[in-house]
Amino acid sequence: DTAVSQTPKYLVTQMGNDKSIKCEQNLGHDTMYWYKQDSKKFLKIMFSYNNKELIINETVPNRFSPKSPDKAHLNLHINSLELGDSAVYFCASSQGLNTIYFGEGSWLTVV
Amino acid sequence: GIQVEQSPPDLILQEGANSTLRCNFSDSVNNLQWFHQNPWGQLINLFYIPSGTKQNGRLSATTVATERYSLLYISSSQTTDSGVYFCAVAGGYQKVTFGIGTKLQVIP
Repeated sequence: DTAVSQTPKYLVTQMGNDKSIKCEQNLGHDTMYWYKQDSKKFLKIMFSYNNKELIINETVPNRFSPKSPDKAHLNLHINSLELGDSAVYFCASSQGLNTIYFGEGSWLTVV
Repeated sequence: GIQVEQSPPDLILQEGANSTLRCNFSDSVNNLQWFHQNPWGQLINLFYIPSGTKQNGRLSATTVATERYSLLYISSSQTTDSGVYFCAVAGGYQKVTFGIGTKLQVIP
């Protein structure tokens, strides 16, 4: 069983569209994250949730909205997609500040 | 926020060689992790090491928290070690900051 799974793995969409990426973890962790990796491989945290509560919200356009229906899920919805949103989005989880486990990434291409 | 510097940015090794990757950080941390991103994009946690020394096979890591650095040692490198190695730190509130990584290429 995959510990942190995210879907879809690949997503090609047009500018202006709205899309969602789903994430689920089966590790029983209390903390989940969304990271963005740009073309230069730089990994930057976007959001962090602890027990369904938002605890970190970095400087991210409000077109990005995370939703955590329960501890095991953290979805990312993106409105009005722009070319600059093209990147790899990684979901991750951890128990508190311990080891972080990443999903396999979602490759988003906006055309 | 905490600044993380990794060196070298790029490294090319002959298979079988040893290497040391360095991570410097600007403030006290209670969380330091090393990750390997393989050429297919998978991010794998290598070590959770806020202090002390750990070993796992050919890899080992040492963090000297008082001097604000960590080292990752790779011995007898193999082509499968290729990829990008990231150091990530947190000083609290679960905001984990990543360095820009060291890109390693191991050639046969």
